Amino acid sequence: DQQVKQNSPSLSVQEGRISILNCDYTNSMFDYFLWYKKYPAEGPTFLISISSIKDKNEDGRFTVFLNKSAKHLSLHIVPSQPGDSAVYFCAASASQMNYGGSQGNLIFGKGTKLSVKP
Amino acid sequence: DAMVIQNPRYQVTQFGKPVTLSCSQTLNHNVMYWYQQKSSQAPKLLFHYYDKDFNNEADTPDNFQSRRPNTSFCFLDIRSPGLGDAAMYLCATSRDLRIGRTNQPQHFGDGTRLSIL
Repeated sequence: DQQVKQNSPSLSVQEGRISILNCDYTNSMFDYFLWYKKYPAEGPTFLISISSIKDKNEDGRFTVFLNKSAKHLSLHIVPSQPGDSAVYFCAASASQMNYGGSQGNLIFGKGTKLSVKP
Repeated sequence: DAMVIQNPRYQVTQFGKPVTLSCSQTLNHNVMYWYQQKSSQAPKLLFHYYDKDFNNEADTPDNFQSRRPNTSFCFLDIRSPGLGDAAMYLCATSRDLRIGRTNQPQHFGDGTRLSIL
């Protein structure tokens, strides 16, 4: 059973507009969430993260929002650029032991392929 | 630049022929991980080393083993590859297991794509 879900396999956005990528999780013990970006033939690159004690974290054009009650997080990219076209993975981890997985293990979603059109 | 380096980038082996994938890091991180990623799937953790302590995920097949001879290097050994083992294998590192507590994310290499003939 997937603990981290990215329900949109793909997203297409016009350059300059906002991209919103969504992620849902089921395990309430997750306390750290990350977004990774992956270009073809490269490994995932860390983009931005958020701790469960926060509801927003911003880094330049990238903002991650966390809604713990809904077990939902989203990544906003504004303005979107063609170079942002990649697969975006949402990942979650739990710092506590015995949450149902290995401590520190990242549980990934299946990814959302973002295409930003010029 | 400090990096996670995986060799080779592409590996072809025959059904049942043992194969070893390698990973090195210059980050001096304590933890090294191996993930398997099949097409259109989420990366899935196989095992990790915290220093010399090995932790195998419960559902990792016995066919997969790992070695970490020193801080910098970690190897993934597939003893008898089957067709179902064709995948991208990703190595990652982190300073600590509790990445949330330290706010230190995992860093990934570019992966080795394994094909089985």
